[in-house]
Amino acid sequence: GAVVSQHPSRVICKSGTSVKIECRSLDFQATTMFWYRQFPKKSLMLMATSNEGSKATYEQGVEKDKFLINHASLTLSTLTVTSAHPEDSSFYICSARDGGRKETQYFGPGTRLLVL
Amino acid sequence: GNSVTQMEGPVTLSEEAFLTINCTYTATGYPSLFWYVQYPGEGLQLLLKATKADDKGSNKGFEATYRKETTSFHLEKGSVQVSDSAVYFCALTQGTSGTYKYIFGTGTRLKVLA
Repeated sequence: GAVVSQHPSRVICKSGTSVKIECRSLDFQATTMFWYRQFPKKSLMLMATSNEGSKATYEQGVEKDKFLINHASLTLSTLTVTSAHPEDSSFYICSARDGGRKETQYFGPGTRLLVL
Repeated sequence: GNSVTQMEGPVTLSEEAFLTINCTYTATGYPSLFWYVQYPGEGLQLLLKATKADDKGSNKGFEATYRKETTSFHLEKGSVQVSDSAVYFCALTQGTSGTYKYIFGTGTRLKVLA
């Protein structure tokens, strides 16, 4: 089946620094990618939808200047957490939608971010 | 707004036991319903789905029926194996113009003992 990778799988950073997380679709072209955030024992919360070559669409309550999303190619989207703070510590998961299969999304393994 | 409610885990069963994980939803219109599974260290994988009322999704011995009258999509398996140990997420999508945003439940951890 379709594979989506994320890098890094785990990152620890100091408060005030920025962290970039990559999401790649390995064997298909993803016109649309999604970024989710998962808190312990909570649902996956959609943060934003990114379409290749255009600006991301952010969900209500998500700071676009805090969570920068770039989808420069059909196989790569990046999420940059700018000036990270301890409350940004979380599990970030991306997914990618194969252009030909409307509803089905393929998920990456997630990135655990810990901000000290 | 739309939401998905799952039973809290963890659920611990012996091998070959019967599994039910409850899922109910709130949505306007006619959402599509999904079960995703996440094995340790891996991404979410689509397990099964149903796109309209009374549809039954099935895969790998798991099945779930889209019940509009009870707004439910309970996951069942007749005989679980140790390899089924994972976290199971119920989800719905409801999109227009191809947006198809997912709304997930909190996930239910299943542990199957040999």
